[in-house]
Amino acid sequence: DAGITQSPRHKVTETGTPVTLRCHQTENHRYMYWYRQDPGHGLRLIHYSYGVKDTDKGEVSDGYSVSRSKTEDFLLTLESATSSQTSVYFCAISEVPSGIGTQYFGPGTRLLVL
Amino acid sequence: EDKVVQSPLSLVVHEGDTVTLNCSYEVTNFRSLLWYKQEKKAPTFLFMLTSSGIEKKSGRLSSILDKKELFSILNITATQTGDSAVYLCASDTNAGKSTFGDGTTLTVKP
Repeated sequence: DAGITQSPRHKVTETGTPVTLRCHQTENHRYMYWYRQDPGHGLRLIHYSYGVKDTDKGEVSDGYSVSRSKTEDFLLTLESATSSQTSVYFCAISEVPSGIGTQYFGPGTRLLVL
Repeated sequence: EDKVVQSPLSLVVHEGDTVTLNCSYEVTNFRSLLWYKQEKKAPTFLFMLTSSGIEKKSGRLSSILDKKELFSILNITATQTGDSAVYLCASDTNAGKSTFGDGTTLTVKP
């Protein structure tokens, strides 16, 4: 398995609080992605990174921000959590841009916003 | 807006049956089509398809892409209970972004 960890694995928080999820990789891959997955749906891209300090928005980026200060870490922040952000969040990495090679996924973080 | 549609949304079969899962896409700057298997945890990679008409095969699973008609199929022969999972299809673009379908939930009964 690719060396990807996510923390925390489970989190319960209240509406209006900020939340930060961490993705850590030991593969030295350049590209990192944050997705959310809701029941009965596939994965939707939130943000992605193509290098240290280089990030871009995905299709559902509103209410989320990201930072990548080191190759190995990609942080996802919910600035003020809402119940609609209750979801499972997956981090993914790839050595080459998505579309040339496959992405490897982390174990996921289950987030419940009350 | 890029779109990927999978059908059927769910499927129940018995061990030994053969199944065909469908994936159609409308994507700007298409680069490749990927299939993943998800078993209550992170998706795992199955196939990446970039050329039309070339079948990719791995054991009982195979997949093919039709870039003219904009679809792909995933076949599973002689299904086993361990094949029960959600199968995700994703299209990747030259911009480096992936668009996923909603998945097909396959249940294989003994």
